[in-house]
Amino acid sequence: NAGVTQTPKFQVLKTGQSMTLQCAQDMNHNSMYWYRQDPGMGLRLIYYSASEGTTDKGEVPNGYNVSRLNKREFSLRLESAAPSQTSVYFCASSERQGRINEKLFFGSGTQLSVL
Amino acid sequence: AQTVTQSQPEMSVQEAETVTLSCTYDTSESDYYLFWYKQPPSRQMILVIRQEAYKQQNATENRFSVNFQKAAKSFSLKISDSQLGDAAMYFCAYRSNSNYQLIWGAGTKLIIKP
Repeated sequence: NAGVTQTPKFQVLKTGQSMTLQCAQDMNHNSMYWYRQDPGMGLRLIYYSASEGTTDKGEVPNGYNVSRLNKREFSLRLESAAPSQTSVYFCASSERQGRINEKLFFGSGTQLSVL
Repeated sequence: AQTVTQSQPEMSVQEAETVTLSCTYDTSESDYYLFWYKQPPSRQMILVIRQEAYKQQNATENRFSVNFQKAAKSFSLKISDSQLGDAAMYFCAYRSNSNYQLIWGAGTKLIIKP
């Protein structure tokens, strides 16, 4: 009963390096999301995928790309990491975006530091 | 644009007592949802309670209840009989039915004193 699984849990990058954050859910959910959490701020949406085969920009998409590999998996890529991308990243999923009783399930987050 | 404000960065309460966390929001929409999420040290976000704006009755989940004041755009969370396991960050969030994206407050850290 894993729910939403994110890897890695911690990562340190140098400025300019690239990396991919992985996310998988086993609840047969249609919609998946990537958020970032910075100190003193609420979560901000980076990208989301309302359903398999679609992706859309959220509030803060610059510097990121995403891939909805299949219904289970939704990855977030940093092509050229910058110190401003130091944050905690959360993946989330829901049965279907916009449902009247939509409930998000979150992974345990990835702590990313860019030096 | 919609905004969510949590004016209390930190709150503390004695175990077994009651505490209220504040949340205000700004919107011109009439149809929306409000949420309280809990984030314990494990970092995982957990839905605590949800309120539909069209419902006048305040939502309740066991020891957790809300005071929803639509005209005042206020949505506070009351935790009764506080337990050590309630210690966490609590986030208020808003979602309209015209834009499904959640708008989050900055969070309130709740400390439970034994």
